[in-house]
Amino acid sequence: GNSVTQMEGPVTLSEEAFLTINCTYTATGYPSLFWYVQYPGEGLQLLLKATKADDKGSNKGFEATYRKETTSFHLEKGSVQVSDSAVYFCALRPNAGNMLTFGGGTRLMVKP
Amino acid sequence: DADVTQTPRNRITKTGKRIMLECSQTKGHDRMYWYRQDPGLGLRLIYYSFDVKDINKGEISDGYSVSRQAQAKFSLSLESAIPNQTALYFCATGQTGIPYNEQFFGPGTRLTVL
Repeated sequence: GNSVTQMEGPVTLSEEAFLTINCTYTATGYPSLFWYVQYPGEGLQLLLKATKADDKGSNKGFEATYRKETTSFHLEKGSVQVSDSAVYFCALRPNAGNMLTFGGGTRLMVKP
Repeated sequence: DADVTQTPRNRITKTGKRIMLECSQTKGHDRMYWYRQDPGLGLRLIYYSFDVKDINKGEISDGYSVSRQAQAKFSLSLESAIPNQTALYFCATGQTGIPYNEQFFGPGTRLTVL
């Protein structure tokens, strides 16, 4: 079956530090890959996406590259802000399906 | 106003009680979903509906039921609540044909079963 594995948190960084949150997946074929973000007290919202190998999704300074050879979709940001504090979820949608499979989520805490 | 609303936002109940969580949307989407979120487990799909007359079980439907009363409303019921149903519950919507099957989430309902 399909699965998504994320690094466990919490990840605690100082403002302006470099962020990496690891995500690896198991799926047949070429799934679409997503990062969702959940700010405190809110529902999840789509942060970025990639639909084929070597695609780079980007939004709000965050980036992730679809690496088929390593089945990974790591989230990166060059300089985090306090406002980036949230829980980040990696997810996949199978090539021939409609349902999303989510990873366990990684909490990011950014200190001033 | 929020596009996807959930009521109540917080609920504490006792084992054996029947509970209903409600979800409404003003996005005009045809698809609606119910998920539960547990620490370290991410979101798991309970039920989903692609249309008013369409109901489908998700990964963890045991102990739950749903009703799609209208395109804009999708309620989740716990017929006899048990403590391991304590979790954060999210409703989400989507639209057939939308790119990437993007889903739009409500703010969540925190349910505690004592």
